[in-house]
Amino acid sequence: EAQVTQNPRYLITVTGKKLTVTCSQNMNHEYMSWYRQDPGLGLRQIYYSMNVEVTDKGDVPEGYKVSRKEKRNFPLILESPSPNQTSLYFCASSSTSTGRNQPQHFGDGTRLSIL
Amino acid sequence: AQSVAQPEDQVNVAEGNPLTVKCTYSVSGNPYLFWYVQYPNRGLQFLLKYITGDNLVKGSYGFEAEFNKSQTSFHLKKPSALVSDSALYFCAVRDEGAGGFKTIFGAGTRLFVKA
Repeated sequence: EAQVTQNPRYLITVTGKKLTVTCSQNMNHEYMSWYRQDPGLGLRQIYYSMNVEVTDKGDVPEGYKVSRKEKRNFPLILESPSPNQTSLYFCASSSTSTGRNQPQHFGDGTRLSIL
Repeated sequence: AQSVAQPEDQVNVAEGNPLTVKCTYSVSGNPYLFWYVQYPNRGLQFLLKYITGDNLVKGSYGFEAEFNKSQTSFHLKKPSALVSDSALYFCAVRDEGAGGFKTIFGAGTRLFVKA
């Protein structure tokens, strides 16, 4: 089954304690992206990756890091989390081989609470 | 800069009635437009996308969208709403003129279908 898998689904942690949210896709997609969803703001892009070792900032990259060492994985790293990073996070992937009109496939989300 | 507006936070409709969820966009090049739906505790699911030359696009679950180039709109429609259509709907755009495959999402419209 084609899917994007995020882990963990829920996490409560404290300010300053480094954390990583993993994302893996099994569709051999080139493009992967991280979003955060906040009420009234929709989804805002944090980082995206066009392919292995190619990453770029989205609209709200501050406080986040990513890496793309393998095509299937795109982890999101919070080196020193702060309460304003409490949010619902989504990983997504899509093919780029046939152009920009390919839809994204989303994971089920990670709800992150930083105290 | 590309942008997406969903002017209604919430749309209420009775079951069996037609529904419309509005979306307007602004891009510098050709638009690549999408609608996604989000059910509680789930990631976004692709509903439909604009296909160049088709002003009325059909998608999943009986939904369709009407593209209007002069009004820069891509409204989501369904002839007869179901209670199970109640969810959060997002309009999204990729801009041919923007770098890479960056996608901008609207703030979302919550649809309530009353039995």
